[in-house]
Order: sequence, then C-alpha cells, then structure tokens
Amino acid sequence: RKEVEQDPGPFNVPEGATVAFNCTYSNSASQSFFWYRQDCRKEPKLLMSVYSSGNEDGRFTAQLNRASQYISLLIRDSKLSDSATYLCVVNPSQGSSNTGKLIFGQGTTLQVKP
Amino acid sequence: EPEVTQTPSHQVTQMGQEVILRCVPISNHLYFYWYRQILGQKVEFLVSFYNNEISEKSEIFDDQFSVERPDGSNFTLKIRSTKLEDSAMYFCASSDPWVGETQYFGPGTRLLVL
Repeated sequence: RKEVEQDPGPFNVPEGATVAFNCTYSNSASQSFFWYRQDCRKEPKLLMSVYSSGNEDGRFTAQLNRASQYISLLIRDSKLSDSATYLCVVNPSQGSSNTGKLIFGQGTTLQVKP
Repeated sequence: EPEVTQTPSHQVTQMGQEVILRCVPISNHLYFYWYRQILGQKVEFLVSFYNNEISEKSEIFDDQFSVERPDGSNFTLKIRSTKLEDSAMYFCASSDPWVGETQYFGPGTRLLVL
C-alpha cells in the first residue's frame, strides 16, 4: 500500500463548482497532515494544515478521519486561479522521532474552466 | 516576506560529474530539507538536517549524496558521479519548529544529467 495515496484526476470543473479531493495514508501513527498546492514546474506551497476537528480557510475546508486514515479537501466556488495540482502530505513521525520528513501523495490535478 | 532561495535554477551536467546545489534557507529557521521530484512523479524526501547533522535520510540518499551547511546561511546538496536517473527537480525547504511544522520550499533547481 502506498504511504499516501490520491486520485491523480484530472478533475475538470466549471468556475463556481464545488470539488472534493480525497487522500488515504498508511501509517496510523502519523500526526501531522497538510494540503500543499503545486503549480506546473513550481515548488509546493502550503495551502493548509489539517486538524483533527477539521478546519476551514475561506473557500477551502479540510477534514481528517483518523479511524479511516483519510484526509479530504473541499474547494467551494472554484476560481480559474485554483487550477493546480493539490498534494496530500503527511508527516509520519511523532514525538522525539519527528525529523520533519514529509511524505507526499502523487497529487490531484484540478482544472477549472470558464 | 522571507523566502528560501536556490541556485542555480537550472543545471545541465554530464553523467559521472559532480554537482553542488545551493540553498539559502529562511534566516531564523533551524531545520533544513532536500526533496526531489522526477518529472511526472511525486515529491520525494531525501534528507533532513538539524544542528549540523543529518537527522533522517531516505533510501534514495545513498553514498552518492551529501549535505553540508558550510556557513551560517547556505545549505548544499552534493551529488557525486551523477547518473541519468538523477535528473529531477531538487527542492530545498526549511522550517522553524518554534512556530510550527510548516516547511517553506525554495523554487527548485532543475538538474539534467546527459
């Protein structure tokens, strides 16, 4: 089983649509979870951290289900500028063994069309 | 806003040659990382570095690779005897554990081994 698994897409949606991405992770001891955004040939940029209680940042909502080892990202009212690859990222370490290592999923491509 | 910088942006080298990729992390950050992304594939962790020593390295990070913080600002990745399969985008990242786990990525160095 892959450490972090995502549907690669692409997801093609019209402007204004709501779109959801899912991700599963294999290490049940993982403590930290993130969504990063990557534009073509650019560096990953943090979109948001994912907390156990779920969290929202404007049009973006992230959810974590530890029991199912499942992370989601919901984008409401999609904009053309949301077109990018969305990376599900997990830090599998914890406590004193936490070295900051990040494990990336392969990414889900979103294309928002006018 | 402070940012991670990397030089060069592109590097072309012949197989068997040594390359040094340079990074300037954000100035008050204490943790440094190298990741690579082969074209069309996911971002992969190479190494984390803290307190002037490697804190974790991946299976990819074999004897061909080394890292160094030669002064108070630079963080380098050396690849000895490059191979065709070393062609990739190499990202440097840094984080400040006192603020949170967010890793800030540099723009990357695209390495092409011929």
